[in-house]
Parts: sequence; C-alpha cells; structure tokens
Amino acid sequence: AQSVTQLGSHVSVSEGALVLLRCNYSSSVPPYLFWYVQYPNQGLQLLLKYTTGATLVKGINGFEAEFKKSETSFHLTKPSAHMSDAAEYFCAVIPSGGYQKVTFGTGTKLQVIP
Amino acid sequence: IAGITQAPTSQILAAGRRMTLRCTQDMRHNAMYWYRQDLGLGLRLIHYSNTAGTTGKGEVPDGYSVSRANTDDFPLTLASAVPSQTSVYFCASSDAGTDTQYFGPGTRLTVL
Repeated sequence: AQSVTQLGSHVSVSEGALVLLRCNYSSSVPPYLFWYVQYPNQGLQLLLKYTTGATLVKGINGFEAEFKKSETSFHLTKPSAHMSDAAEYFCAVIPSGGYQKVTFGTGTKLQVIP
Repeated sequence: IAGITQAPTSQILAAGRRMTLRCTQDMRHNAMYWYRQDLGLGLRLIHYSNTAGTTGKGEVPDGYSVSRANTDDFPLTLASAVPSQTSVYFCASSDAGTDTQYFGPGTRLTVL
C-alpha cells in the first residue's frame, strides 16, 4: 500500500519569495512520484515527475522537485514566486508499473501575496 | 486538439435520480479513469479502464458504474444519486504503459 502526505493545506508566500511545498510518501515498492497543478475551475495538469534516473527533476514554470529516498520526500520548490503560481498543488505516487493505482495527496493551496 | 471533454459542466440533481456523466477523449489513450475531488480529501479513484471492453474498481466505487464500449468514451453512471455523491468529478486518460494522466475540466455535481 502507498500513501502521500502533504504538509500544509494552505501556504502563503510573497511575490518573489521561495516556494516550498512539502510531500512525503510511503510505498512498499520503488515509486513514481508526481506533482500536478490545478488552477481554479480547471482539471489537473502535470507539473513534473520522477520515475528513474536523476533525482532532481525540473518541470514547467520554473518548478523543480528532488526525490530523497532516505527521507521519503519529494518536495516542490520554485526560487521566486509569481502571481500566476497561485493554484492548488497535488503530490501523487504510483508503484512503478501500477498505473491505475495512483494515490493523490490532499493538496496544498498556494497563495501568492503581491 | 480538444484532449478530454466532460459534460455537463455542472448539474444539480434530486436524490434518487439517475445521472450519467460523459467523458470523451481524442488522444487514443488506452486507459481512462474517473475521480471525485472533495475538500480535504484530494482525488479518489472511482473506476478505471485499462482498455476498451475492460473496467476495474478504484478506491470508492460504490454507487457508481462505468462502461467502456470504445476507446474514446468512458461514461460514469450514478444509478440512484445520494447527497454524499455531491462532488467534483474528473475524468482522466493515459497511454498504456505510461504514467502521466491527462485530466478533463471536471463536472460539478450537487445532489439535493
């Protein structure tokens, strides 16, 4: 069984400040890890993913995340927040090969303050 | 390219009524999924289909049924709606053997 924990349902940052959204997972097999973003009244879209290889992955809109196996974490960061980053962010995990067994976190709503 | 379309966009439904949420994709993806999104609970998988003609149960399948007659369409039916089925429903698809899911815009359903 796998699970995902996102720390903080709401995060507020000032425009230009560092964005850090936390995600910890548990999985009995090597996981694939994802971050999805949801803008208001829209579906989710993929921000970035880790499957194998380099543990630091870069995504769209300047976001990146690092897979840390020892910490079972996959935190999402962006050096400088923009107003357009305001959205809800979901971390997700699937066991490698188990494509229909995706587990989503409960989401973190990011507010960017001008 | 439309990707995934869902209909209706929103619906208010009386309890006990039957409702079918429609989902169509034009990406020729083999796998399709239905999720419900509830505040504080994230997305939960209702049903999925790995390929046309096959379906499977997800985390919260009770009260819902699906069919997959062809590659493009994956309707979700509530046979007798109950207020606890008030939610936002998302359809998604992915290519067989890949891990990235593509989501539709969602259907907001209110059951009174």
